[in-house]
Amino acid sequence: AQSVTQLDSHVSVSEGTPVLLRCNYSSSYSPSLFWYVQHPNKGLQLLLKYTSAATLVKGINGFEAEFKKSETSFHLTKPSAHMSDAAEYFCVVSDRGTGRRALTFGSGTRLQVQP
Amino acid sequence: DGGITQSPKYLFRKEGQNVTLSCEQNLNHDAMYWYRQDPGQGLRLIYYSQIVNDFQKGDIAEGYSVSREKKESFPLTVTSAQKNPTAFYLCASSIGGRLGYSNQPQHFGDGTRLSIL
Repeated sequence: AQSVTQLDSHVSVSEGTPVLLRCNYSSSYSPSLFWYVQHPNKGLQLLLKYTSAATLVKGINGFEAEFKKSETSFHLTKPSAHMSDAAEYFCVVSDRGTGRRALTFGSGTRLQVQP
Repeated sequence: DGGITQSPKYLFRKEGQNVTLSCEQNLNHDAMYWYRQDPGQGLRLIYYSQIVNDFQKGDIAEGYSVSREKKESFPLTVTSAQKNPTAFYLCASSIGGRLGYSNQPQHFGDGTRLSIL
């Protein structure tokens, strides 16, 4: 069975400082992993995805994530936070051969950016 | 511009009433999904459809129904049997994949917020 755990429900950073949003996953097969961002009262927007190519994945808006199989982690980082990065972020896993379920969503991390 | 359109943005339901949420996509995607989002929780899958005229229950299908008569459209009906319907509902689509597996990202609409009167 697949699962995903976002280790922090809230993260607060100052503008211009680095961002780290942590995600651990559990998967029976070779997973595909995604990070999505959600602004208030909006749908989810894809930031980046990992599908067994390069382990360091670059996404939009300066975000990147590193797939570490030995640690079963897929943490999201950004070197310098911007006020517009304040939003909710979801780590998502898609597992081969899991039957009905195509994607499993983490519970989300709310990122606050202080001026 | 391709995308997913959900309507209405806000919807109110009276006790004992069925309401239908609309979802239309012009991305030519085969697969479509409905999710429910509650505060502080991730998305939970209600129903999904891999092709026209076929759909499958997700994790929380009780009290909901769907149809998939056209590739572009995947409406969700919240029936009176759903006792706690207040939530944010999100529709998504993706390039089709084998049932239960997809390494393709999903594209989301902007959601419908449903409340009880």
